[in-house]
Amino acid sequence: GAVVSQHPSWVICKSGTSVKIECRSLDFQATTMFWYRQFPKQSLMLMATSNEGSKATYEQGVEKDKFLINHASLTLSTLTVTSAHPEDSSFYICSARDEGRAPYEQYFGPGTRLTVT
Amino acid sequence: GENVEQHPSTLSVQEGDSAVIKCTYSDSASNYFPWYKQELGKRPQLIIDIRSNVGEKKDQRIAVTLNKTAKHFSLHITETQPEDSAVYFCAASISYGQNFVFGPGTRLSVLP
Repeated sequence: GAVVSQHPSWVICKSGTSVKIECRSLDFQATTMFWYRQFPKQSLMLMATSNEGSKATYEQGVEKDKFLINHASLTLSTLTVTSAHPEDSSFYICSARDEGRAPYEQYFGPGTRLTVT
Repeated sequence: GENVEQHPSTLSVQEGDSAVIKCTYSDSASNYFPWYKQELGKRPQLIIDIRSNVGEKKDQRIAVTLNKTAKHFSLHITETQPEDSAVYFCAASISYGQNFVFGPGTRLSVLP
């Protein structure tokens, strides 16, 4: 149980285009999901907290107009990287909490590797 | 805000030896401390966690200790095996269900 999926697993796009990444909780409902970015050989940096039915909370330094987050249902959150640039190339990982089973834990998706050319 | 430091950044041990990774945190309000193992290109996997009302927790070859006064916690892996080679991240959470602040990670290499 407590499985989180992400789609796509990798994507290559051209500079200036937008890319949407989906994060799904497969066997539980998640009021809250988290989006992280991980550069090579670095730690996970929280970008934003996604709340079902309300606006996401962004961390300092993360442009909310560039990284659009939508959490339209209890099993799906999406991250859209708008007008992507090469410096946005990174590993994007989402996580979700299963409040009913283990409220402290976060279950991570497999990640999406974005390459902007 | 919370700041988590982690040492060492890299660690090499011989198979069968023990490995210890240490983390410190800054916010005394943090009350949940998970440890994650991440293999190259894969998702972080929770290996053990501890809450602030407990000083030590063990799960087979893995143990975590917490010193709330000193604000540090450590991961102990005994009888290391090559498959333990990975990057290990500690994290701290300031309250129930809130976001994690991760340490910078430790790259563990277990040499056969």
